[in-house]
Amino acid sequence: DQQVKQNSPSLSVQEGRISILNCDYTNSMFDYFLWYKKYPAEGPTFLISISSIKDKNEDGRFTVFLNKSAKHLSLHIVPSQPGDSAVYFCAASATGNQFYFGTGTSLTVIP
Amino acid sequence: GAVVSQHPSWVICKSGTSVKIECRSLDFQATTMFWYRQFPKQSLMLMATSNEGSKATYEQGVEKDKFLINHASLTLSTLTVTSAHPEDSSFYICSATKGGNEKLFFGSGTQLSVL
Repeated sequence: DQQVKQNSPSLSVQEGRISILNCDYTNSMFDYFLWYKKYPAEGPTFLISISSIKDKNEDGRFTVFLNKSAKHLSLHIVPSQPGDSAVYFCAASATGNQFYFGTGTSLTVIP
Repeated sequence: GAVVSQHPSWVICKSGTSVKIECRSLDFQATTMFWYRQFPKQSLMLMATSNEGSKATYEQGVEKDKFLINHASLTLSTLTVTSAHPEDSSFYICSATKGGNEKLFFGSGTQLSVL
């Protein structure tokens, strides 16, 4: 049973526009969420995180929004750049130890 | 959807013993599997890349003799932490790819506690 879901396997966005990647989860006990970015032939790298006590966390061009009532997480990238083209994974945890990952969304930023 | 099963989910062992963690792709053939280590609330750290039938490629700083990786079949990779010490206590997670694309499927991880 997939506790973290990324229902969009791919997304294409024009350079300079906003990219919005979505993530839904089912476990209301999750209290910590992360986004990872993965380039081809490389392992995932950490991008940004958010705790359940917040509803927004911003780091440069990346902002993560958390809607606990909807059990929904989103990552906004503004402005999108060609170098942002990668696969993005969201992950959630209830204890800070065991993490559940989504299957990823492939983002293509078109120059 | 594709499922990656990782066992055990939690293991406690005495210092000096070895621990084996299994990662299985249940409904697809995984040409490549990755092993990661994660400390609480920190980012995943890639330890090694495992390709079926060949030796694993280890990331810089990861001891090959301590973290033995075997990818004997297209559905199973194992990570053995040899002569474990308390500093090896961490969360270990695997992921697998079908190949041909970069979509990764992650196991749910193994929490290792070395006493």
